[in-house]
Amino acid sequence: EVQLVQSGAEVKKPGESLKISCKGSGYSFTSYWIGWVRQMPGKGLEWMGIIYPGDSDTRYSPSFQGQVTISADKSISTAYLQWSSLKASDTAMYYCARAQDEIDYWGQGTLVTVSS
Amino acid sequence: DIVMTQTPLSSPVTLGQPASISCRSSQSLVHSDGNTYLSWLQQRPGQPPRLLIYKISNRFSGVPDRFSGSGAGTDFTLKISRVEAEDVGVYYCMQATQFPTWTFGQGTKVEIK
Repeated sequence: EVQLVQSGAEVKKPGESLKISCKGSGYSFTSYWIGWVRQMPGKGLEWMGIIYPGDSDTRYSPSFQGQVTISADKSISTAYLQWSSLKASDTAMYYCARAQDEIDYWGQGTLVTVSS
Repeated sequence: DIVMTQTPLSSPVTLGQPASISCRSSQSLVHSDGNTYLSWLQQRPGQPPRLLIYKISNRFSGVPDRFSGSGAGTDFTLKISRVEAEDVGVYYCMQATQFPTWTFGQGTKVEIK
């Protein structure tokens, strides 16, 4: 069974750093892309970026380039999304999703709350 | 960049009645490989999105056959033949023709009248 299991909810202060994770199982982790999608409270889905764990090829949406870093550790089948300095506007649910051509499986989401 | 536009943004439906959602892309979604990478996602309240339909009209594993997709080029439709209570949520179209760039529609909220 394909599963993407994300790390738990986080509460952070502005300026703090954060790294959230997405662990894949039930399939060949290095053969599929893993993308990250943001959903701000009450809003729609926004593509942030994507990584191919097989060779670490990484692409970013222009809206998120320079704001976040996407990485993966194929030895433990885990992808990451990280911030070096969080802002209140980063408060959102973040989803990882698996794709070859199209997305098929989604993680359960990680809620990130940034508040002073 | 491709822009995906959904209509309507809200769709109150009576249980057992059909529902239809339209999605239009700002440019053709036909890929150079001949496929059209247009998907439909369902997001129930408090849940992550879930794939319903891929490549315009293919139902994903476990998706009931009351859901169907159609269209071509730039115009696509998701139909629910008879809405059930569990269908309440927000539906998104998305394109992956420009993979690895994804673009989502704004979402259409389906609710029961």
